[in-house]
Amino acid sequence: GAVVSQHPSRVICKSGTSVKIECRSLDFQATTMFWYRQFPKQSLMLMATSNEGSKATYEQGVEKDKFLINHASLTLSTLTVTSAHPEDSSFYICSAKNNRDGSRNTIYFGEGSWLTVV
Amino acid sequence: AQKVTQAQTEISVVEKEDVTLDCVYETRDTTYYLFWYKQPPSGELVFLIRRNSFDEQNEISGRYSWNFQKSTSSFNFTITASQVVDSAVYFCALQGGSTLGRLYFGRGTQLTVWP
Repeated sequence: GAVVSQHPSRVICKSGTSVKIECRSLDFQATTMFWYRQFPKQSLMLMATSNEGSKATYEQGVEKDKFLINHASLTLSTLTVTSAHPEDSSFYICSAKNNRDGSRNTIYFGEGSWLTVV
Repeated sequence: AQKVTQAQTEISVVEKEDVTLDCVYETRDTTYYLFWYKQPPSGELVFLIRRNSFDEQNEISGRYSWNFQKSTSSFNFTITASQVVDSAVYFCALQGGSTLGRLYFGRGTQLTVWP
């Protein structure tokens, strides 16, 4: 079964509103989670690295004020798209690294979230 | 720098044909991991394989096989006797030892298997 749960799987929102996507590790703790975005027929691009208890690290070109990331616990990171616009419509997917995996560096992906801004 | 190149954007085959998806990577890390994921239209990433840089043994899993060649920085994926259900986008990805869990993805190869 899934070890990283992402919710919602699909969301439609109106332009100008905000939408929150959750990424939850179900049976392990994750100090670090990653948020990726995928536009249609394109690759997955890292948006930001979410660090528990501290500020997220954003990739170049990603607006931190628009894509708010909160990693308040070892099992939950949230991505909030603020003042959404149609161009934010995309597939967002998170991944998490198991703290106790040691050198194995196992990464688990969530199921992804389809965001449509109308 | 970390980079993954999947030169094939789209591949079409007829059922039962064998097909190889190419993946070439670049990294300066001595320790790294290579992945293949399958992405069906629903979007989720289906994990297929992870290989670390110290293990160059080829691997076979059912109809799937992987050829890891450090000398050419390639990690190619072959599907034998393809089936319609294999139709999906396939991503090759690299996790450098220095990148603490971040994956670098290739642009993906859309595989279409016709009946």
